[in-house]
Amino acid sequence: DIQMTQSPSSLSASVGDRVTITCRASQGISNYLAWYQQKPGKVPKVLIYGASTLQSGVPSRFSGSGSGTDFTLTISGLQPEDVATYYCQKYNSAPWTFGQGTKVEIK
Amino acid sequence: QVTLRESGPALVKPTQTLTLTCSFSGFSLITTGMSVSWIRQPPGKALEWLALINWDDDKYYSTSLKTRLTISKDTSKDQVVLTMTNMDPVDTATYYCARSNFYDSIGQPFVYFDYWGQGTLVAVSS
Repeated sequence: DIQMTQSPSSLSASVGDRVTITCRASQGISNYLAWYQQKPGKVPKVLIYGASTLQSGVPSRFSGSGSGTDFTLTISGLQPEDVATYYCQKYNSAPWTFGQGTKVEIK
Repeated sequence: QVTLRESGPALVKPTQTLTLTCSFSGFSLITTGMSVSWIRQPPGKALEWLALINWDDDKYYSTSLKTRLTISKDTSKDQVVLTMTNMDPVDTATYYCARSNFYDSIGQPFVYFDYWGQGTLVAVSS
């Protein structure tokens, strides 16, 4: 099975900072990657699919890039409401594996 | 509007079989391309995809758990059922069901989860 590895596992940044989270697949998955945001105590919410396509209603400060094995999620201008754990998920084929998550906090 | 709701026991004993039901509305599993998955999350840990069933009754399972899982659907009731055998305390988690399309308009993979239930916490303890 393809493994999904995120880095860092956690980060702390100031409001307004640019934040970058990385997700690496153990084999190429083209652009079949989604990113989710899970706020504390809440249900995961999809932010991005197709590695870079913003889900409807998601603020434009979120962006995704990458293809093959290396992907990034960027928050351009961190906001207090962005405190959450972020997960990547591959969907080129079964099994539809998630990364281990990156916890984002405000400094 | 799409909604999903999980139901099942809050507590099971070790070695017992867990049965969870996902009741949904706003879409149908007889619609070509539609699918429903089960995903779990142990307290403080990451999401783990467990199983998927699609409109064509194809079933897919987590490699590490496939011997213990069975997923099925009842399209007349708009429900998907997951059974997990031989429960262990490490299976304590919030269990979610989630909807996805199975492929996009040009037949490419499209299994990302756009709607989720609220989740049901299942504890495994004697």
